[in-house]
Amino acid sequence: GQQVMQIPQYQHVQEGEDFTTYCNSSTTLSNIQWYKQRPGGHPVFLIQLVKSGEVKKQKRLTFQFGEAKKNSSLHITATQTTDVGTYFCAGPLLTMEYGNKLVFGAGTILRVKS
Amino acid sequence: DVKVTQSSRYLVKRTGEKVFLECVQDMDHENMFWYRQDPGLGLRLIYFSYDVKMKEKGDIPEGYSVSREKKERFSLILESASTNQTSMYLCASGSDRGNKNIQYFGAGTRLSVL
Repeated sequence: GQQVMQIPQYQHVQEGEDFTTYCNSSTTLSNIQWYKQRPGGHPVFLIQLVKSGEVKKQKRLTFQFGEAKKNSSLHITATQTTDVGTYFCAGPLLTMEYGNKLVFGAGTILRVKS
Repeated sequence: DVKVTQSSRYLVKRTGEKVFLECVQDMDHENMFWYRQDPGLGLRLIYFSYDVKMKEKGDIPEGYSVSREKKERFSLILESASTNQTSMYLCASGSDRGNKNIQYFGAGTRLSVL
């Protein structure tokens, strides 16, 4: 079935270092989304990418959608302790015409040492 | 802002009890979802609903049922709770209109089955 793979599973960085998480889908996606879950919290929508090759920025966060619309990345420049959490990517299930079911990656846990 | 409210943050039940987890959203979303989240396993879809009284099985429906009698409310039912159902349960809602596929999550219910 349709799968979304995410790497790395876990990353521990020094505050001020950069961080990148990668997402790869087994199928072409109509869009890809990123969510952040703080420790003890719930996933919160960050951004949606729709176009092939699209790049979007939110302050220190840069999101990219691959040309083939099968992969994506999230890059954080100069991490801060507030960036700690789990980052999930997700893409819509192709067979769904309704219901908006998403296939989530397993998430990347980011820890930041101050 | 979208608000998804789960009835309990923490719940402790005994093996064999019938457990109801309630979720209410205030954005008139057609679609609602129940996930469970366990360390290292990411978000796993239990059931979802794309309309009142409509339901579809997700990836791990065994041992669970759902009810959607009103558009704003989606209930998850554990018919006879077992210890392997100890987990964090997350409810989400989303719409087929506008920004498709985006899901909005509740704060979660951490269920312990003793």
